[in-house]
Amino acid sequence: EVQLFESGRKLVQPGGSLRLSCEASGFALRDYAMSWVRQAPGKGLDWVSCITASGGSTFYADSVKGRFTISRDNSKNTLSLQMNSLRAEDTALYYCAKVSETYCSRSSYMDNWGQGTLVTVSS
Amino acid sequence: QSVLTQPPSMSGAPRQRVTISCSGSSSNIGNNAVTWYQQVPGKAPKFLMYHDDLVPSGVSDRFSGSKSGTSASLAISGLQSEDEADYYCASWDDSLNGWVFGGGTKLTVL
Repeated sequence: EVQLFESGRKLVQPGGSLRLSCEASGFALRDYAMSWVRQAPGKGLDWVSCITASGGSTFYADSVKGRFTISRDNSKNTLSLQMNSLRAEDTALYYCAKVSETYCSRSSYMDNWGQGTLVTVSS
Repeated sequence: QSVLTQPPSMSGAPRQRVTISCSGSSSNIGNNAVTWYQQVPGKAPKFLMYHDDLVPSGVSDRFSGSKSGTSASLAISGLQSEDEADYYCASWDDSLNGWVFGGGTKLTVL
């Protein structure tokens, strides 16, 4: 069974930094691309970033480009999201999601989701 | 403002059939596959349909999908109270080089 576990709730001030982690189990992480999707309180789903299985290519939403960095350690079954220059509008529940194939591409989709970790950006 | 457009809410009586629409453009739905997710309040999204009209194992066959041009739809037949949830469509966008979502449709079972 695929399981994805994101780290716990986090509170950070505007302009601050935060690193999210997602532990994966039940599948071979090295064979799949992985993604982060967020959901602001009471709002819809918003794709954030994707990384290919090898980690060789990364993709970002325009809203986080230059501020967020996605990475992975396949030997430790872990996906990470380094978030810098955080803004109030980054406040959201952040989901880690497994992608259906090796690449982040038009033919792939997110087929398994974690329970999410809440990030609050507030002074 | 979401890239993909869905009706904010819909409702239906038990045993009825409802269809949720999702409208996009040539850079996303018109050229790429559509995925659907179901999200019960307070829970993570659940993978519901992929490649426009394929149902993953374990998902009820009461769910079906279709696509025509730059629009897609999710149909739910034989509505049950457990279908009450938010439904999201998603597709890869060639211009943005990433996935885009619809704003979500809140389905109420009367």
